[in-house]
Amino acid sequence: KAGVTQTPRYLIKTRGQQVTLSCSPISGHRSVSWYQQTPGQGLQFLFEYFSETQRNKGNFPGRFSGRQFSNSRSEMNVSTLELGDSALYLCASSRGQGFNEAFFGQGTRLTVV
Amino acid sequence: AQTVTQSQPEMSVQEAETVTLSCTYDTSESNYYLFWYKQPPSRQMILVIRQEAYKQQNATENRFSVNFQKAAKSFSLKISDSQLGDTAMYFCAFMKPSQGGSEKLVFGKGTKLTVNP
Repeated sequence: KAGVTQTPRYLIKTRGQQVTLSCSPISGHRSVSWYQQTPGQGLQFLFEYFSETQRNKGNFPGRFSGRQFSNSRSEMNVSTLELGDSALYLCASSRGQGFNEAFFGQGTRLTVV
Repeated sequence: AQTVTQSQPEMSVQEAETVTLSCTYDTSESNYYLFWYKQPPSRQMILVIRQEAYKQQNATENRFSVNFQKAAKSFSLKISDSQLGDTAMYFCAFMKPSQGGSEKLVFGKGTKLTVNP
């Protein structure tokens, strides 16, 4: 079956702009989590969505937001981009109930110039 | 808050040899899960092995095994018969079950492993 798909793979944006990243989970998975990966801070949890509801949130400013649709696809949005938002954004999906393995996508590499 | 520490930023090993990657964590929880993920240059995070804290037996997956010391809060990964394809970043991660089922992974900074021919 298809894995977790993230689009686009690469993005270049200018400071002050906004960006939307997309994640399509594995079929049947209802939980989608987002992580930011940078050389300095490593992997940090952004938020998790389950059945269209945000179930958990990390310590990121309100410029970072997300949503999940009825088909479990998720988007994350970053507004008023800053240079420090340059990172690899990873999405992970799982069944979301009980303990389940999280499967990751290949990420979106965002560069803010 | 939980923290995960990987004290070895980089390691190298010869092909066919054995290498051990270290990980320690800090938590006050008694029930939790621990994972080792591999991230090759393709960037995709791949689960290597997982351990439930309530299980005393160390997890094993083919050439990969862990040494889980709950009292010491230590969770090391041993790779036997290292292969060139094992070259990657390895991340240790912690997850505690939470009310509502929320799944949040806390990652260490990673260990870059290079397998030399």
